[in-house]
Amino acid sequence: GENVEQHPSTLSVQEGDSAVIKCTYSDSASNYFPWYKQELGKGPQLIIDIRSNVGEKKDQRIAVTLNKTAKHFSLHITETQPEDSAVYFCAAKTGNQFYFGTGTSLTVIP
Amino acid sequence: DAGVIQSPRHEVTEMGQEVTLRCKPISGHDYLFWYRQTMMRGLELLIYFNNNVPIDDSGMPEDRFSAKMPNASFSTLKIQPSEPRDSAVYFCASRSPTSGSSYNEQFFGPGTRLTVL
Repeated sequence: GENVEQHPSTLSVQEGDSAVIKCTYSDSASNYFPWYKQELGKGPQLIIDIRSNVGEKKDQRIAVTLNKTAKHFSLHITETQPEDSAVYFCAAKTGNQFYFGTGTSLTVIP
Repeated sequence: DAGVIQSPRHEVTEMGQEVTLRCKPISGHDYLFWYRQTMMRGLELLIYFNNNVPIDDSGMPEDRFSAKMPNASFSTLKIQPSEPRDSAVYFCASRSPTSGSSYNEQFFGPGTRLTVL
């Protein structure tokens, strides 16, 4: 089955700086890659996603890039704000199943 | 739309008791997933349904776990008998059908925090 690895597990940045979280996947059949933000006590919330036929997608301060050849994808958050502090999960969809990374705890220091 | 609704939000029970978690997916979504989240194992898929039919239950840890989806707007996850190691946050998620721009998007409920003493 699919194996998704996510790095780093924790990340601290100063407010205004950029944050990058990286994921790799193993199954070349994976065709959809969502990113979720989970705040304390809440369920994961979809923040951005990318399909396998697209290399990059941007939505305001967040962007996702996908390298199908290397089987890795990344989340980029620019101009970070304290409210960006949360746990971020990447996922890869193979067939009808989603496989999740282990999460990155992002702390934005004011 | 209210999003995915789960109840209860918190459940504390004693070992050996039966626990039933409930989920109402987003209207029109044809896939429903049950996940378990723990610090040690992260997010684990337990079972998922398509059009109310269980498709893959290979993630269900033991026979003590069972899930049903009697109709498109309701699903239950039952643990009988419950054990302390079942303590976790259980999430239900539903996925939009493959049409238009809503392709593959999966939305999570707020979760049920289960504590088995």
